[in-house]
Amino acid sequence: DAGVTQSPTHLIKTRGQQVTLRCSPKSGHDTVSWYQQALGQGPQFIFQYYEEEERQRGNFPDRFSGHQYPNYSSELNVNALLLGDSALYLCASSLWGQPQHFGDGTRLSIL
Amino acid sequence: KQEVTQIPAALSVPEGENLVLNCSFTDSAIYNLQWFRQDPGKGLTSLLLIQSSQREQTSGRLNASLDKSSGRSTLYIAASQPGDSATYLCAARGLSGTASKLTFGTGTRLQVTL
Repeated sequence: DAGVTQSPTHLIKTRGQQVTLRCSPKSGHDTVSWYQQALGQGPQFIFQYYEEEERQRGNFPDRFSGHQYPNYSSELNVNALLLGDSALYLCASSLWGQPQHFGDGTRLSIL
Repeated sequence: KQEVTQIPAALSVPEGENLVLNCSFTDSAIYNLQWFRQDPGKGLTSLLLIQSSQREQTSGRLNASLDKSSGRSTLYIAASQPGDSATYLCAARGLSGTASKLTFGTGTRLQVTL
């Protein structure tokens, strides 16, 4: 039984570009949450999707957007990339209201 | 707004030593408190989850306690091993209205030496 899978594992972009990160939840899970983890920091909550709708959002600008598909997979999109967007982006899945299971993340580097 | 703090930021101990990691949170209205382990460049592995109604949870050499009234949780690791070297994060989950949002501390980086 595959756990939470994220792609790609690493990504290098330049300032001003746009990026899409993908997440496949653990089998049976219907809720996906996204976190940003800067180097040496704890993860910061970006947003959460359930039933294809954004249910909660953390303190992130509108440059960060997402989507959830009918098969529960999810995407995180970031526009107009800044150097400060360099981080490990973690996806977590769960059944609604239950403990989250984390993927290994996508390492995004902005040059 | 929930804020979570972890002390110490880094810790180095010799193999076999018992140790305690500390986590404090500002808002006691939590649903649960969870401890995670993170290896370098990797995702998070859940170690222990304590519901707000519980006082402690144990798994093998790990024991986590929760004191909601004082806003504190501790993770006790017995007989530490080099394989325990990692960053340990605690996270508080808010009550309904904030649903499954987790608020993390900045972590304690543990090194267990031979």
